[in-house]
Amino acid sequence: DAGVTQSPTHLIKTRGQQVTLRCSPKSGHDTVSWYQQALGQGPQFIFQYYEEEERQRGNFPDRFSGHQFPNYSSELNVNALLLGDSALYLCASSKPRVYGYTFGSGTRLTVV
Amino acid sequence: DAKTTQPPSMDCAEGRAANLPCNHSTISGNEYVYWYRQIHSQGPQYIIHGLKNNETNEMASLIITEDRKSSTLILPHATLRDTAVYYCIVRRDSGGGADGLTFGKGTHLIIQP
Repeated sequence: DAGVTQSPTHLIKTRGQQVTLRCSPKSGHDTVSWYQQALGQGPQFIFQYYEEEERQRGNFPDRFSGHQFPNYSSELNVNALLLGDSALYLCASSKPRVYGYTFGSGTRLTVV
Repeated sequence: DAKTTQPPSMDCAEGRAANLPCNHSTISGNEYVYWYRQIHSQGPQYIIHGLKNNETNEMASLIITEDRKSSTLILPHATLRDTAVYYCIVRRDSGGGADGLTFGKGTHLIIQP
């Protein structure tokens, strides 16, 4: 049973560019959350998608947007990249009445 | 969600029990205690959770004090593969969905051979 799959694993972008990260949830999971983890810090919640809608959002600017598709997979888009957006981006999936989230191994984004 | 306080780092000898403390003195009655760990270069992994009773699974045991203001995660026989950052998280929802997780800086547990 495949867990959460994220692509790409690594990415280098230039300041001002836009980036799209992708996530396929664990089989049977219908909820996808995205987290940003800066070096040496714990993951920070960006937003959560359920039934193709953003259900909850953390303290991140509108440059961060997302989408969930009918097959429950999800994308995270970041516009106008800043150097400070360099981080590990984690995707987590879950479903109601299942305790605990399943995380992917993340996408390492470097902005130069 | 209530805030948590954890020591930044701990050492434990291989084969011994690792006891990781967490303080959550402002926890509300409907908030659960969750533990996750993050091994280097991987995403966080769910370990265990509880409300007020002690819990045990194949990975660990969770001991919650009677007043629920603190808890201890116990890895009964630590191995080198248990070296990781351990996060204690308090949250309202007991199932998947609804609330995002609020991670602190966690405890960096180092298992010594």
